[in-house]
Amino acid sequence: QVHLQESGPGLLKPSETLSLTCTVSGDSLSRSTYFWAWIRQSPGKGLEWIASIYYRGNTYYNPSLKSRVTISIDTPKNQFSLTLSSVTAADTAVYYCARCDYGDSYYFDYWGQGALITVSS
Amino acid sequence: DIVMTQSPDSLAVSLGERATINCKSSQSVLYGSNKKNYLAWYQQKPGQPPKLLIFWASTRQSGVPDRFSGSGSGTDFTLTISSLQAEDVAVYYCQQYYTTPPTFGQGTQLEIK
Repeated sequence: QVHLQESGPGLLKPSETLSLTCTVSGDSLSRSTYFWAWIRQSPGKGLEWIASIYYRGNTYYNPSLKSRVTISIDTPKNQFSLTLSSVTAADTAVYYCARCDYGDSYYFDYWGQGALITVSS
Repeated sequence: DIVMTQSPDSLAVSLGERATINCKSSQSVLYGSNKKNYLAWYQQKPGQPPKLLIFWASTRQSGVPDRFSGSGSGTDFTLTISSLQAEDVAVYYCQQYYTTPPTFGQGTQLEIK
């Protein structure tokens, strides 16, 4: 059974940088058949795909966030990470990591439980 | 970006009755060369992440009860729960994966009448 677990700071101040890590068990990030993704959910914007990464390091970003986002992967640790710079209150959300098929099957079959991130001064 | 619009925003159905949720995309998500609709449905219960129910518009994910079915093509899609159970109370989302970025509908809250 695939299990994903997010870890992060919980509370940030405006202008700080958010760093989140997703630890995966039950599957290897080095498998060539999946992308690994970050998705967030807020009351104002609903579910929003942020970015995805392939084990070879190919990255894909939502244009709306691309200037502030970096996704990276650490295959030996079986983890992937997200950084989001210059956060504001609008970045307050539950952040999920998830898995989706490589290729054109870009739906998300496994999700982490989510990490609530609050941006407040 | 493709905009996904669900209707209704909320729905109350009696136990054992049929529930129908609609999803409309701002452009077609049917790929002509393979005749596949790039549309998925998710169920989200309070405090939980979304759970994949259906992909390719009508293919049930492994383990999903057969009372859940998906239909539609092009820009108009439907999620049907044939006989509502108490455990089906949740918010339901559609998602297109025809283009990047993948985008989600705003959600439909399903309750028991």
